[in-house]
Amino acid sequence: NAGVMQNPRHLVRRRGQEARLRCSPMKGHSHVYWYRQLPEEGLKFMVYLQKENIIDESGMPKERFSAEFPKEGPSILRIQQVVRGDSAAYFCASSPSQGTSNSPLHFGNGTRLTVT
Amino acid sequence: GQQVMQIPQYQHVQEGEDFTTYCNSSTTLSNIQWYKQRPGGHPVFLIQLVKSGEVKKQKRLTFQFGEAKKNSSLHITATQTTDVGTYFCAGAQAAGNKLTFGGGTRVLVKP
Repeated sequence: NAGVMQNPRHLVRRRGQEARLRCSPMKGHSHVYWYRQLPEEGLKFMVYLQKENIIDESGMPKERFSAEFPKEGPSILRIQQVVRGDSAAYFCASSPSQGTSNSPLHFGNGTRLTVT
Repeated sequence: GQQVMQIPQYQHVQEGEDFTTYCNSSTTLSNIQWYKQRPGGHPVFLIQLVKSGEVKKQKRLTFQFGEAKKNSSLHITATQTTDVGTYFCAGAQAAGNKLTFGGGTRVLVKP
């Protein structure tokens, strides 16, 4: 029973490079959420996706950030032209098809992005 | 937009003592969930409250959902070193909406 799998666990990028964060939800889960966490802070919602659809991207910055959840393969959070302020832990979570009102979120171990 | 606030931000507790952390939403919630994140770890689901005034217990942890469904509390009795971590509440305004997390209460236990 594999949980939510995120990779890489740690990612170091220089300013201006691209960062790609991957998330495979738990088996049977079709809803994926991305959250960002700065040190000593809470979890800030970024985007909510179902297979091939972005349901809510109200927490995503308008520029440089994008997310997808293709029919096959993991969900990808892409950050283009990274800046130092993008350094954070990015957590992916998944839930079953009935949505958050009845289901807890299962979180992955996160990807800790460091921009140098 | 919806805001979820938690107090206190930090809680230093002597081992064996009790404490309570509070969660307040700017809007009425359909449900509230609590998560625990150990240092360096990821959030782990603890419990969900749905009904107005609901109280649930997990061993030394007692969770309560306010009558107006806008606030919640977590009370821990006889704190142990294993209770160290950050406790987050998270609320949803309506069925299927995204969860909005509070800023968390960071619990440190003094042996």
